[in-house]
Amino acid sequence: NAGVTQTPKFQVLKTGQSMTLQCAQDMNHNSMYWYRQDPGMGLRLIYYSASEGTTDKGEVPNGYNVSRLNKREFSLRLESAAPSQTSVYFCASRDRGYNEQFFGPGTRLTVL
Amino acid sequence: AQSVSQHNHHVILSEAASLELGCNYSYGGTVNLFWYVQYPGQHLQLLLKYFSGDPLVKGIKGFEAEFIKSKFSFNLRKPSVQWSDTAEYFCAVVMEYGNKLVFGAGTILRVKS
Repeated sequence: NAGVTQTPKFQVLKTGQSMTLQCAQDMNHNSMYWYRQDPGMGLRLIYYSASEGTTDKGEVPNGYNVSRLNKREFSLRLESAAPSQTSVYFCASRDRGYNEQFFGPGTRLTVL
Repeated sequence: AQSVSQHNHHVILSEAASLELGCNYSYGGTVNLFWYVQYPGQHLQLLLKYFSGDPLVKGIKGFEAEFIKSKFSFNLRKPSVQWSDTAEYFCAVVMEYGNKLVFGAGTILRVKS
């Protein structure tokens, strides 16, 4: 099992550009999450999907959209990137009935 | 809203020193508690977790944590740290049957060899 995979690993954007971060899990988990990690602020939840077909806002959703494409895949889209979105983005998944989350390797995004 | 406080943002220790990292949370109901570790350049990995039962839980690599319900605390300990424990440590809390983990700000541990 690969676990949780994310692409790309690194990305540099100019202000106003758009991009989609991809996440996939092969553990048949129901719930998936997108976090951003900034120094001194821990991980903050952007969006999550409790099950296929549902998505909900987390703590910091502004400027982002998500799509739960199927049970395996959960993508995060930045429509018009801003320097404040420079961060490391982590995807995670969780099985129903368990609260442990499994994390992907992260995407380091820089917006100039 | 739930929140998690980690007492120290940076900790520097010498090898073989003992470690205790503080974590307090604000939520009055039943919670599940976690410590995650992030080694330099790597993703988060679960160190240990508490769901119920014995409040002293043991995790990987010699780490343990104690849940003290009356103090809303879940402190992480290790009797003797090694250089390889250099990492950032995150405490996280979720309400029982809840969907969302709430993370603390993290503690960066540097162990000097």
